[in-house]
Amino acid sequence: ETGVTQTPRHLVMGMTNKKSLKCEQHLGHNAMYWYKQSAKKPLELMFVYSLEERVENNSVPSRFSPECPNSSHLFLHLHTLQPEDSALYLCASSQDKGSYEQYFGPGTRLTVT
Amino acid sequence: AQSVAQPEDQVNVAEGNPLTVKCTYSVSGNPYLFWYVQYPNRGLQFLLKYITGDNLVKGSYGFEAEFNKSQTSFHLKKPSALVSDSALYFCAVRAGGSQGNLIFGKGTKLSVKP
Repeated sequence: ETGVTQTPRHLVMGMTNKKSLKCEQHLGHNAMYWYKQSAKKPLELMFVYSLEERVENNSVPSRFSPECPNSSHLFLHLHTLQPEDSALYLCASSQDKGSYEQYFGPGTRLTVT
Repeated sequence: AQSVAQPEDQVNVAEGNPLTVKCTYSVSGNPYLFWYVQYPNRGLQFLLKYITGDNLVKGSYGFEAEFNKSQTSFHLKKPSALVSDSALYFCAVRAGGSQGNLIFGKGTKLSVKP
């Protein structure tokens, strides 16, 4: 295990639902990340938090809303998603934003119907 | 623009044979290069990195990678493949210097057959 946990592991939601993905890191890291992984495409960085402050938002649609209440927890709130948002959503953490190594959680497999 | 290319969607190797997973990059300035591996139903795991120094970098599980500046490549290698090496491998480059974000390739699926 990498010390980064994600819940739920699988999620099926309709386009009108509201749901949240949760990430928790037990490593004492200061930076946390959300990535989107789609088949045969590069990982897409969505958001970066450093010391609980959002430092990156890579042109992500507003139907994705991140929240970082403390340095150990990261949420991704979802509402009115589209079928093309179906993907594996990965959370990662690193000691600091400039650290070389990132530690990834197992991901949440999201299916939007 | 910074980018990473993994030209092969899949690499098939027989167990015991050497393996190579290719990666080329485009980055301004000195590159910071990484390899990550993703096993089924797991997140990505760090394998190795090149920051500076020796062009041959050794990492976890017997993997190594060779930095070639003239060819802008960072191919992942292992002398003798194991069935358990079967996984998805991602090459990444750090964009924008030491504080930049990681830019990942699309991944290469490695399949090692007995």
